[in-house]
Amino acid sequence: GAVVSQHPSWVICKSGTSVKIECRSLDFQATTMFWYRQFPKQSLMLMATSNEGSKATYEQGVEKDKFLINHASLTLSTLTVTSAHPEDSSFYICSAKPGTSYNEQFFGPGTRLTVL
Amino acid sequence: QKEVEQDPGPLSVPEGAIVSLNCTYSNSAFQYFMWYRQYSRKGPELLMYTYSSGNKEDGRFTAQVDKSSKYISLFIRDSQPSDSATYLCAMSGDTGFQKLVFGTGTRLLVSP
Repeated sequence: GAVVSQHPSWVICKSGTSVKIECRSLDFQATTMFWYRQFPKQSLMLMATSNEGSKATYEQGVEKDKFLINHASLTLSTLTVTSAHPEDSSFYICSAKPGTSYNEQFFGPGTRLTVL
Repeated sequence: QKEVEQDPGPLSVPEGAIVSLNCTYSNSAFQYFMWYRQYSRKGPELLMYTYSSGNKEDGRFTAQVDKSSKYISLFIRDSQPSDSATYLCAMSGDTGFQKLVFGTGTRLLVSP
């Protein structure tokens, strides 16, 4: 149980284009989903927290107009990187918290984004 | 000072060794403590989840929490090459919704 999927697993795009990453909880309902960013050999950096049906809460320093988050259902959240630039290249990981859990998070496999 | 400190390693051990991974923290409000394992280019996988002080055992893994010292540990017995990964500690408080605070991760290498 507690499986989270992400799609795509990797994506290469040109500078200036937008990229959408999907995060799905496959066998549970996720009241809250999180989006993290991870640079090589570094830890996870929380970007934003999203609750189903409401606006995401972004961490300090994260541009909400650049990283659009939609949590339309209890099993799906999307992160759209708008007008991507090479510095946005990173490993993006989502996690989901079941409604029955206080703060236990289950992570997706991650999406590697490379912006040329 | 970071809220959570973790030695990045790498920690190299032979197969069969007992591994000890540790984190220290500064926020006394932390009550929930987790250990995640992350293989290269993969998402973290939850290994252990504990509340407050004490020990928890699951197979070859034992998690210890010493809140008086603000120190947590993960022990791996009979380590295997497949245990080679980065181990991240994470923690949070218990008042309202608390986001997880992660350590930087310790890279473990178990040689055959």
